[in-house]
Amino acid sequence: AQKVTQAQTEISVVEKEDVTLDCVYETRDTTYYLFWYKQPPSGELVFLIRRNSFDEQNEISGRYSWNFQKSTSSFNFTITASQVVDSAVYFCALRNYGQNFVFGPGTRLSVLP
Amino acid sequence: DGGITQSPKYLFRKEGQNVTLSCEQNLNHDAMYWYRQDPGQGLRLIYYSQIVNDFQKGDIAEGYSVSREKKESFPLTVTSAQKNPTAFYLCASSESRYEQYFGPGTRLTVT
Repeated sequence: AQKVTQAQTEISVVEKEDVTLDCVYETRDTTYYLFWYKQPPSGELVFLIRRNSFDEQNEISGRYSWNFQKSTSSFNFTITASQVVDSAVYFCALRNYGQNFVFGPGTRLSVLP
Repeated sequence: DGGITQSPKYLFRKEGQNVTLSCEQNLNHDAMYWYRQDPGQGLRLIYYSQIVNDFQKGDIAEGYSVSREKKESFPLTVTSAQKNPTAFYLCASSESRYEQYFGPGTRLTVT
């Protein structure tokens, strides 16, 4: 069975603080893909990153970074020096090869000025 | 510009009426999906289609119907059999194993 857990329902930080969003996944497959999406107040989900199960290299894109650890089945997302525009709901998702997406419940991030 | 369009953005209907939500993509993706999102909740899969003229039920298909007559179009009909149709509906498309791209969504309110 596939499952994605985002234990943090809501997080509030003050602008310029760093914040990490946790994602833990469950799968029995050896080939799978992990994703992060951002859903701003407008509602549209915006794709942020995809990672496949064979690539455990961490990735940095500007203020965003992702830490993929197969040993703990985690794919955490860190925003450095957060900004008000980062306020959104963030979803972690898992896709086994050839199957549909499974989304986590989401984490609502509020960045206060 | 390539992308996914959903129309209308807001839709209001009376209880007992069927309503069809539009989803069009020009990304040349084979697969298309419909999700439902309720306030404060995650996404739940309604229907998906891997190729034209074929579609499968997702986790919450009851009360919904779809068609896939063209690669670029995947309309969703919310029927009167859907007991709680008020929700935010998101359409997405993807290529094989890769990420899904989402449309802007349609907020349906049924009174």
